[in-house]
Amino acid sequence: DAGITQSPRHKVTETGTPVTLRCHQTENHRYMYWYRQDPGHGLRLIHYSYGVKDTDKGEVSDGYSVSRSKTEDFLLTLESATSSQTSVYFCAISELGVSGGAENEQFFGPGTRLTVL
Amino acid sequence: SQQGEEDPQALSIQEGENATMNCSYKTSINNLQWYRQNSGRGLVHLILIRSNEREKHSGRLRVTLDTSKKSSSLLITASRAADTASYFCAPSVAGGFKTIFGAGTRLFVKA
Repeated sequence: DAGITQSPRHKVTETGTPVTLRCHQTENHRYMYWYRQDPGHGLRLIHYSYGVKDTDKGEVSDGYSVSRSKTEDFLLTLESATSSQTSVYFCAISELGVSGGAENEQFFGPGTRLTVL
Repeated sequence: SQQGEEDPQALSIQEGENATMNCSYKTSINNLQWYRQNSGRGLVHLILIRSNEREKHSGRLRVTLDTSKKSSSLLITASRAADTASYFCAPSVAGGFKTIFGAGTRLFVKA
């Protein structure tokens, strides 16, 4: 999986508890992304990062926060987990494109299956 | 950013047949990518076609791009049971920071 790991791979938690998912890359790619995938919705972008300490919101960012203190790590935090956040979470990375954006291919991690009871 | 919309939502074929999936998008793009996702796994990049290209091949994959119609198609020839997966298109805008994926096409190849 192109030097991308996600931890944990599986987690079961209770409503109202904080949860942090970690994405770690060894490729030194500039861009990192968090997606969630639910049946019937495909992949939906939660947050993304275009450099250390540079992050922005995606389509479904409510209830989530992110941090990127170094190139290789991108953390996704659910401050107070809800049952609607039960999902499979994927991290992805990509490199800077020739036009200065992130239009190159994305490499995906193996995913984290989160269940909020 | 912009989203690709795949069509059909699901496709079931026999092994050996060809599978065609379509993608439509709304604005000008720099390139368009296709990804495959096997059940329970992350997406895997298949092929990238640039806006100045009309057709591209990779093994049994053929991708076409029609920028005037803002559409792309992915053809898998001589399909195999192992091609069973979901397929996503991802249009990219020059200088854009993010890609929005559609819901994908679920392909089922019967042995």
